Amino acid sequence: QSALTQPASVSGSPGQSITISCTGASSDVGGYRYVSWYQHHPNKAPKLIIYDISNRPSGVSDRFSGSKSGNTASLTISGLQAEDEADYYCGSYTSIVTYVFGTGTKVTVL
Amino acid sequence: QVQLQESGPGLVKPSETLSLTCTVSRYSISSDYYWGWSRQPPGKGLEWIGIIYHTGSTYYNPSLRSRITMSLDMSQNQFSLKLSSVTAADTAVYYCARDRSKVAGPTGFDYWGQGSLVTVSS
Repeated sequence: QSALTQPASVSGSPGQSITISCTGASSDVGGYRYVSWYQHHPNKAPKLIIYDISNRPSGVSDRFSGSKSGNTASLTISGLQAEDEADYYCGSYTSIVTYVFGTGTKVTVL
Repeated sequence: QVQLQESGPGLVKPSETLSLTCTVSRYSISSDYYWGWSRQPPGKGLEWIGIIYHTGSTYYNPSLRSRITMSLDMSQNQFSLKLSSVTAADTAVYYCARDRSKVAGPTGFDYWGQGSLVTVSS
């Protein structure tokens, strides 16, 4: 199974909004609601920040929001903060009953 | 809050079997939810390995399926991963995690361990 496609890097200034895309196919992102996003700081455990396309787990800032259109899911971080600097991965259920992560995006706060 | 902790050898020789155990605290793995593994090779992205349910039902990454065995030890509240015939390409930080799914199929991990670096080298 091929990894979902994400931009390698996205940057923004504090207070700005940025959007990360996650492109798959009808057999994964486009076909199901089980799309998640993870925040991963170096040497720490990945953290689930969005599940089922647009839902936030308890305790996750409402500055994080998710959406999907066709075969592409998106994560938007609004009011960018220094602590948001991390790697972000999308993930999706697939038609062959497996799971696939995205290629990952490094977010830099300028 | 569910807690997970990986344990196992940090160094494995090529062609041998990598074995890792995940100890779960504050939640019984015999209740519900799937439990699974992902990995991250140095400088690369996350790769999903597979998940197992308390019934023994499993779902594996097709590219690793022939080399993977996952199992449960409910008496110890642990689950394990074995990856056979390892090569340098299997060098990675291995994470155990809980999948959000209570029914068939993986839907994404909500609780993760801190990760365990396994190096494959002679």
